[in-house]
Amino acid sequence: DVKVTQSSRYLVKRTGEKVFLECVQDMDHENMFWYRQDPGLGLRLIYFSYDVKMKEKGDIPEGYSVSREKKERFSLILESASTNQTSMYLCASSFNQGYGYTFGSGTRLTVV
Amino acid sequence: EDQVTQSPEALRLQEGESSSLNCSYTVSGLRGLFWYRQDPGKGPEFLFTLYSAGEEKEKERLKATLTKKESFLHITAPKPEDSATYLCAVHVMEYGNKLVFGAGTILRVKS
Repeated sequence: DVKVTQSSRYLVKRTGEKVFLECVQDMDHENMFWYRQDPGLGLRLIYFSYDVKMKEKGDIPEGYSVSREKKERFSLILESASTNQTSMYLCASSFNQGYGYTFGSGTRLTVV
Repeated sequence: EDQVTQSPEALRLQEGESSSLNCSYTVSGLRGLFWYRQDPGKGPEFLFTLYSAGEEKEKERLKATLTKKESFLHITAPKPEDSATYLCAVHVMEYGNKLVFGAGTILRVKS
């Protein structure tokens, strides 16, 4: 069964900390995505990547960066965590244009 | 601006009470419409892809249909285990590989 694996289900970090969220897919997918999901706001795209070392800003990239050194791994970095970054973070991957996404189980991040 | 709107925001049904969820879109160059199911605290799970008006897909108690302006997710004789948030998303040519998601419909089925 194909999988997108996010390294942590729950994470609690302090304000100002640098936070790494890791995502690994085993489907040899070209495209990978990071979303955050908040009640009433739905899924909002943070960053995405079409290929290794490629990255594109999504709708809400401020305060975040990403890294894709290998095809199967896409990392989301919160350079200096703030309380307004408390959210559910979802990673997804897709094979190519027109294909649906496969999502990971999500990371519930709380910044205190 | 392109939009994906889902209605209703929330729906409560009795077990066995059939109904429909709506996803309307105002996009140009639609390449596909996707339905996902999301359980609390989990990532969305893929249900269906529809590519052209008139297309229908079925899975157990769920049936998805597509017109030029909207999609419906019909739920026939729902059970409590169908309770979840249902998300629709559109793939638009000008957005490349990105999907644009609606806000979702929260479905609760009571026994």
